Amino acid sequence: KQEVTQIPAALSVPEGENLVLNCSFTDSAIYNLQWFRQDPGKGLTSLLLIQSSQREQTSGRLNASLDKSSGRSTLYIAASQPGDSATYLCAAELMEYGNKLVFGAGTILRVKS
Amino acid sequence: NAGVMQNPRHLVRRRGQEARLRCSPMKGHSHVYWYRQLPEEGLKFMVYLQKENIIDESGMPKERFSAEFPKEGPSILRIQQVVRGDSAAYFCASSGTAYEQYFGPGTRLTVT
Repeated sequence: KQEVTQIPAALSVPEGENLVLNCSFTDSAIYNLQWFRQDPGKGLTSLLLIQSSQREQTSGRLNASLDKSSGRSTLYIAASQPGDSATYLCAAELMEYGNKLVFGAGTILRVKS
Repeated sequence: NAGVMQNPRHLVRRRGQEARLRCSPMKGHSHVYWYRQLPEEGLKFMVYLQKENIIDESGMPKERFSAEFPKEGPSILRIQQVVRGDSAAYFCASSGTAYEQYFGPGTRLTVT
């Protein structure tokens, strides 16, 4: 059974700290990996998409990497701010399962001011 | 370019009633996906549609649930004879190709 796992489940850091969120998937045959942010009671905001031919993507203070051989992706957030507090979701589009996204359970991030 | 639109944002139904959830994809997108987020659970895929075609419905419950994406108009997720266990947030996503999916704000269904 393919799974997407996110570690840690929750993280609390002081403002300004750099942090790393981890995502692992059991199937290395991956089309794409997408990172999302979800605020309480809200929808999902796409942060970064890494296609299978890419190794990383950057947007502002965010950097996401993809290592297909080890089945891992990381989301790096630099100089965290209280406004970064949210749930971060990793989702993999796996070849075996066509176009659907398989989501991890998420990492709940709290950045303290 | 408006994003993915879903309505209603909140829907309350009594047990046994029908729920209809609507999703308008982003302009130019022809792929629509429905996902469900149950309380305290992660997002789970339900169904993938293109115009007038169901491509993958492997995540749909076998009974009471149906989805369509007609040639004209929004995609509809229909739940017949709702039960309390159907209470969840239902998200629609769209894409222009098989790549990045853009999500709507969701419909929060409460069954009383």
